[in-house]
Amino acid sequence: DAGVIQSPRHEVTEMGQEVTLRCKPISGHDYLFWYRQTMMRGLELLIYFNNNVPIDDSGMPEDRFSAKMPNASFSTLKIQPSEPRDSAVYFCASIPRGVDTDTQYFGPGTRLTVL
Amino acid sequence: AQSVTQPDIHITVSEGASLELRCNYSYGATPYLFWYVQSPGQGLQLLLKYFSGDTLVQGIKGFEAEFKRSQSSFNLRKPSVHWSDAAEYFCAVGVSSGSARQLTFGSGTQLTVLP
Repeated sequence: DAGVIQSPRHEVTEMGQEVTLRCKPISGHDYLFWYRQTMMRGLELLIYFNNNVPIDDSGMPEDRFSAKMPNASFSTLKIQPSEPRDSAVYFCASIPRGVDTDTQYFGPGTRLTVL
Repeated sequence: AQSVTQPDIHITVSEGASLELRCNYSYGATPYLFWYVQSPGQGLQLLLKYFSGDTLVQGIKGFEAEFKRSQSSFNLRKPSVHWSDAAEYFCAVGVSSGSARQLTFGSGTQLTVLP
């Protein structure tokens, strides 16, 4: 299995631009999580989905952030407009359906730099 | 609310030496505890987890951790460190939300291994 796939791996953009981060979870996984990692705040859960439905978005910092999961194999995290304080590494993780519902499998992350 | 404290920001050990990384948690119920490792430029990989039963759990790459309820601790150990163990280590507590566990991570401990 290819694991959780995230794209792009690196993104550099200018303040005010729209940024879209993408995630493909492992096939057969029915939970998907978006995290943000910064030096100041560590790893923070932003939002998670179950069977493509958003369950808890209380970690989304503000209305500039939105996430969707149109199908079981694809999710996006969008920032519009982006700000320099959004610079971070964004991780996607998924959990398999069934037996082992406690192990999260992380993607390699997208390093976002907003100038 | 749950929280995790990793008191050591950075630890340096010599290759072949033993290792112990500290983790203290705060959670009102029986905790679900995890240790993840993050290599440079990579996502997080699960090393081991504790839910119940034997308080000494074995993980991958020769790591083990011991749950001590009286001390609210879940310290990670390895008897002999290898240069490839240099990475950042995260302790996490899982909170049940529906059928999945939301993870709250500690701030991480960066491990440097000297030759």
